[in-house]
Amino acid sequence: KNQVEQSPQSLIILEGKNCTLQCNYTVSPFSNLRWYKQDTGRGPVSLTIMTFSENTKSNGRYTATLDADTKQSSLHITASQLSDSASYICVVSPYSGGGADGLTFGKGTHLIIQP
Amino acid sequence: DSGVTQTPKHLITATGQRVTLRCSPRSGDLSVYWYQQSLDQGLQFLIQYYNGEERAKGNILERFSAQQFPDLHSELNLSSLELGDSALYFCASSASGGGGYGSPLHFGNGTRLTVT
Repeated sequence: KNQVEQSPQSLIILEGKNCTLQCNYTVSPFSNLRWYKQDTGRGPVSLTIMTFSENTKSNGRYTATLDADTKQSSLHITASQLSDSASYICVVSPYSGGGADGLTFGKGTHLIIQP
Repeated sequence: DSGVTQTPKHLITATGQRVTLRCSPRSGDLSVYWYQQSLDQGLQFLIQYYNGEERAKGNILERFSAQQFPDLHSELNLSSLELGDSALYFCASSASGGGGYGSPLHFGNGTRLTVT
């Protein structure tokens, strides 16, 4: 069964600190992995996307890494800000051409940034 | 702003009732998806429509149904509501298949359904 496991479930850090969120998947075949940010009460927004041939992808203070051999990804947030408080969701797709029925969502990591 | 509009934002109703959730996709997007997000659960795929036709079905209950109209807006109908149906319901849209490298899902801000 295709699964996406994220850790930790929740994380509290001080403003200005860095943090790393983890995503392990068992989805096969594998096409791409995307990280979404979901603010409280709002829909998820795409942060980064990587295929199996990409090891790292950055979007401002967000840097995602992917190890397709070990089926692990991480999202590193640098110099955290209060606005980074949100849930971060890892989503894996088996199809290069898309297909929402094949997407597997993790449950997310709930990140709280404290001043 | 994702460009996806969902109404209403909140809905409170009683068990056994029927409700309709509405979604307008981003301009130009042909695919519409419905997801359910329960407390502490990941997003669960319900159903996808592409240009008016059902494209894919997920874990959608028989009490639930959806359709996409010629103007591409979509409605999700939930009937015989149970307490366990309380959740956030998200609509998303994409230009084509959705989830592919060049076709991210764009989510609305959801409808929070509370069944009492």
